[in-house]
Amino acid sequence: GNSVTQMEGPVTLSEEAFLTINCTYTATGYPSLFWYVQYPGEGLQLLLKATKADDKGSNKGFEATYRKETTSFHLEKGSVQVSDSAVYFCALRQAGTALIFGKGTTLSVSS
Amino acid sequence: KAGVTQTPRYLIKTRGQQVTLSCSPISGHRSVSWYQQTPGQGLQFLFEYFSETQRNKGNFPGRFSGRQFSNSRSEMNVSTLELGDSALYLCASSLEGLGNTIYFGEGSWLTVV
Repeated sequence: GNSVTQMEGPVTLSEEAFLTINCTYTATGYPSLFWYVQYPGEGLQLLLKATKADDKGSNKGFEATYRKETTSFHLEKGSVQVSDSAVYFCALRQAGTALIFGKGTTLSVSS
Repeated sequence: KAGVTQTPRYLIKTRGQQVTLSCSPISGHRSVSWYQQTPGQGLQFLFEYFSETQRNKGNFPGRFSGRQFSNSRSEMNVSTLELGDSALYLCASSLEGLGNTIYFGEGSWLTVV
């Protein structure tokens, strides 16, 4: 079945460091791919998405590119801030089905 | 435009009781889905409703049920609560279509004691 695998956390970075959170998926066909972020005590917020191969999603300095050949959707940010500390979830969705999430990666950024 | 609204935000129930959670989707969204989030199991899909019909269902026991009303508002019910049902229950809504984004509410925090 479909699945999402993302790197285990926690990821601990200093402010202004470069961030990469790896995400790979297993799916038949061409799913849509998403990154969601969850701040402490809150629900999930969509961070970015890509709906077809080679699409790049971007938002708030975060980027991820839909790589069909490597079945990956890695999240990157050039310079993280303390306010980026949160849990990040990679997810996929195929037509007529629910979102399938990875286990989440906790990011902690210190000043 | 208002987001997905869930009530109540926090609640405490006793084992064996039942609970009903409510969700109002974004205006115009006809698809509503529910997820359970726990530290051990992560985010798990419960069910999805579209136009008052359950369209997809996750792997949860029959104690978990839901429904959707004609105005797209949805409720989920958990009967005979167990300690393991303690979780954050997230409701989400979307427009129809694969590429359409699923928007989540703030969630309902359920503690079973």
